[in-house]
Amino acid sequence: DSRMTQSPSTLSASVGDRVTITCRATHTIGSWLAWYQQRPGKAPTLLIYKASALQSGVPSRFSGSGSGTEFNLTISNLQPDDFATYYCQQSNSYSGTFGQGTKVEIK
Amino acid sequence: QMQLVESGGGVVQPGRSLRLSCAASGFSFSDYGLHWVRQAPGKGPEWVAFISFHGTNKEYADSVKGRFTISRDNSKKTLFLEMNSLRTDDTAAYYCANWGGDTGFDNWGQGTLVTVSS
Repeated sequence: DSRMTQSPSTLSASVGDRVTITCRATHTIGSWLAWYQQRPGKAPTLLIYKASALQSGVPSRFSGSGSGTEFNLTISNLQPDDFATYYCQQSNSYSGTFGQGTKVEIK
Repeated sequence: QMQLVESGGGVVQPGRSLRLSCAASGFSFSDYGLHWVRQAPGKGPEWVAFISFHGTNKEYADSVKGRFTISRDNSKKTLFLEMNSLRTDDTAAYYCANWGGDTGFDNWGQGTLVTVSS
């Protein structure tokens, strides 16, 4: 399995901002990358799969890009509900490793 | 709509056992393989175990192999995780979850907290 490293660990932003989170894999994983959002005290929810496909019901301000070893999650026009922690996961298998998380906090 | 509700968490001493349950509703339980995923405080999630829809195929993460046992009762629409020889590094929120195949974990329960401490 690839090790997944996210950056930054914490990101401070304001409502309306555009933010980007990066996830890097130690080995190439093609487009097998999923992104999750987790609000405090809640379970993660799937946002993006196959690097750039939007999960049903997820707002279009979320977008994913990348392939191989470097991937990005971009949130355009940040909304109050978006202040949360985001995780990437190598998704070629259910046992694929997750990143350590990026917390998006209010500036 | 798939609903998963975990229970059975609590505080337990190292070396002791605990059994988690996950009650399912809103879908045909016996048609789905299911997973346990855990998340230690401040860490990313970690896949723990899988059981096939009929219960005959099971897989475990190396970190729990030989200590944890996943099982299911399709007549009661319930998934279980029997955890033995618990260690402090097993402290985590434990979620039952569905793997959507090409997508990722697309349905999660609300989680149950297990704390292993003396």
